[in-house]
Amino acid sequence: GAVVSQHPSWVICKSGTSVKIECRSLDFQATTMFWYRQFPKQSLMLMATSNEGSKATYEQGVEKDKFLINHASLTLSTLTVTSAHPEDSSFYICSARFGRSYNEQFFGPGTRLTVL
Amino acid sequence: AQTVTQSQPEMSVQEAETVTLSCTYDTSENNYYLFWYKQPPSRQMILVIRQEAYKQQNATENRFSVNFQKAAKSFSLKISDSQLGDTAMYFCASHYGGATNKLIFGTGTLLAVQP
Repeated sequence: GAVVSQHPSWVICKSGTSVKIECRSLDFQATTMFWYRQFPKQSLMLMATSNEGSKATYEQGVEKDKFLINHASLTLSTLTVTSAHPEDSSFYICSARFGRSYNEQFFGPGTRLTVL
Repeated sequence: AQTVTQSQPEMSVQEAETVTLSCTYDTSENNYYLFWYKQPPSRQMILVIRQEAYKQQNATENRFSVNFQKAAKSFSLKISDSQLGDTAMYFCASHYGGATNKLIFGTGTLLAVQP
């Protein structure tokens, strides 16, 4: 299958700082990318859907000013957690697919964020 | 609302035995896709098997097979000859088109394969 990478794989930051997580599709053009959040022993919670060149669509309850998503190219999407607080500590996973309708999603390996 | 339900939070199976994980879903759509994903301790999501709703034949991938009952909206995963490497969290998921156009995940089943 296609490969999706995430960077960094883990990050520790101080409360109040901003953190950027990158998601890259390495061998295909990702028309659509998704960002998920996962708490320990829980399921994946979709945060937002981003289509290349368009503004991200956020799920209900997700603060778009806190979780900034940029999908500026067909191979790169970024998630910036602004003014991070300890409650933002979580595992963040991105996925990517080719096309805007159904197609298989390929998942990145995830990024563990710890906010002190 | 479109939902996916996994009623077994945890399951255990002996190595080489067979285990079945349950999943039910709710939708009024005719065209959709169903998936089983595996998330091992590394937390990398791995696609195990996929089923298109319009196909009557149950999908099979080596030791993994599904029992797709469209009328009952049931989509169970059978793992044959369980191996230690099958130990993982398993998520059932569905993809609906139209305005939804995203994966909806169940709550997961933690499977432990015992030696």
